[in-house]
Amino acid sequence: KAGVTQTPRYLIKTRGQQVTLSCSPISGHRSVSWYQQTPGQGLQFLFEYFSETQRNKGNFPGRFSGRQFSNSRSEMNVSTLELGDSALYLCASSFRTSGRAETQYFGPGTRLLVL
Amino acid sequence: QQPVQSPQAVILREGEDAVINCSSSKALYSVHWYRQKHGEAPVFLMILLKGGEQKGHEKISASFNEKKQQSSLYLTASQLSYSGTYFCGTEESGGSTLGRLYFGRGTQLTVWP
Repeated sequence: KAGVTQTPRYLIKTRGQQVTLSCSPISGHRSVSWYQQTPGQGLQFLFEYFSETQRNKGNFPGRFSGRQFSNSRSEMNVSTLELGDSALYLCASSFRTSGRAETQYFGPGTRLLVL
Repeated sequence: QQPVQSPQAVILREGEDAVINCSSSKALYSVHWYRQKHGEAPVFLMILLKGGEQKGHEKISASFNEKKQQSSLYLTASQLSYSGTYFCGTEESGGSTLGRLYFGRGTQLTVWP
C-alpha cells in the first residue's frame, strides 16, 4: 500500500508570494491533517479535513487555508508569504472512522523556504 | 493546549533505559506517541486510551494516568535505532476539538554505542 505523498518536496519563495502544497493520503483514508514544524516548536496543527469538510482548525492566520477534494487529496495554500512561514509542512492521513483521533500516517513533508 | 514534554533531550548508551514524560493541563481522552528520525516523517509508536487500552509497538511500553493527565513512554534496553525525536500528541476529552491532536515540542533521544 502506498504511503502518504506530498508535493513538492522543496520550495523556495519570496516574501509576498503565494504557495500551494499538495497531499495525497493513503488509499481509503478520508482524513487529512496539516502541521507546521519548525525547530524547537514541535508540530503545530494547521487544520484537518474529512470528507471535503474542515473539521478542526488551529491558531494560524487566515493566510493559511486548505481544501480537500472528493478523492481525499488535499491542498494547503499560504498567501502573502512571510519569512516566518519557512518551515517543514507535514500532512498526515488517517481512517477517522470514529470521531476520535486515530493513528496518523505522515508524509515526508514539504520544506518551504521564504526569502 | 500544547502538552509539556520532559526531558527536552536525553543521551544514553546502548542497553540503558529511558523515560519520556508528557503532561497536559486538560482532561485527556487519549495520548499518542510518535518518533521522528532526522530528515524523516514522524512514525506512529503507540496510542493509550482512556480506560487503559493500549495499541502499538511491541518493544516500547507506556503508561497513561488519566487523573493526572500524564503519560510516560518507557524505552528499555535502548538500541541505536531508538535515536530520534519523540513526540506525544494529546487528544482532549470533549469540547470543540474532538479528534484533534496537540503535539508537544519533542524529546530528543540519542543512543550511543
